[in-house]
Amino acid sequence: NAGVTQTPKFQVLKTGQSMTLQCAQDMNHNSMYWYRQDPGMGLRLIYYSASEGTTDKGEVPNGYNVSRLNKREFSLRLESAAPSQTSVYFCASTPSGYTGELFFGEGSRLTVL
Amino acid sequence: AQSVTQLGSHVSVSEGALVLLRCNYSSSVPPYLFWYVQYPNQGLQLLLKYTTGATLVKGINGFEAEFKKSETSFHLTKPSAHMSDAAEYFCAVSASGSNYKLTFGKGTLLTVNP
Repeated sequence: NAGVTQTPKFQVLKTGQSMTLQCAQDMNHNSMYWYRQDPGMGLRLIYYSASEGTTDKGEVPNGYNVSRLNKREFSLRLESAAPSQTSVYFCASTPSGYTGELFFGEGSRLTVL
Repeated sequence: AQSVTQLGSHVSVSEGALVLLRCNYSSSVPPYLFWYVQYPNQGLQLLLKYTTGATLVKGINGFEAEFKKSETSFHLTKPSAHMSDAAEYFCAVSASGSNYKLTFGKGTLLTVNP
């Protein structure tokens, strides 16, 4: 059972480069999320997709874009990476009939030099 | 809007001692409350949750938490700590009609000493 799969697990970028973090879930969940985790800051919501075809901004959306490609996949794009985007990024999903239980991937550690 | 405050960024206990991790929340509507655990280099996983009904909720690995509306608290406890409980713990809140958004606290790192 794969659950939520994120790629890549590690990435180093130079300032100004672009990249896309990929996320896929195989649990037939409706809602998907991208969070970033920084030391002492907890997890902060970047974007979420309540259902296929919809996306909404979270708490810290600046510098990011997302695409809900289909029900399974939700990607996060950094168009012009900045050192402030150095973080660990987590994708999560939750089924319909919202209960608040999120299922997380293992994270993608991004360093921007 | 919802918010969560976790009291103490680092808690250290001895093996076999009581674990108490504190969480206070703010919500303008009835909240859903959660505790998640994160082991090193892993994603978060749900420990327990309160949505409606019984205010004392039990979770995995012997943890429990009590929703106290009058104190706006949802503290996490375990009677006897194990070495395997060492991890970071996150309290989280959402409103039942929140468009599925969960707000996390900043986390409490639990250290268990032999």
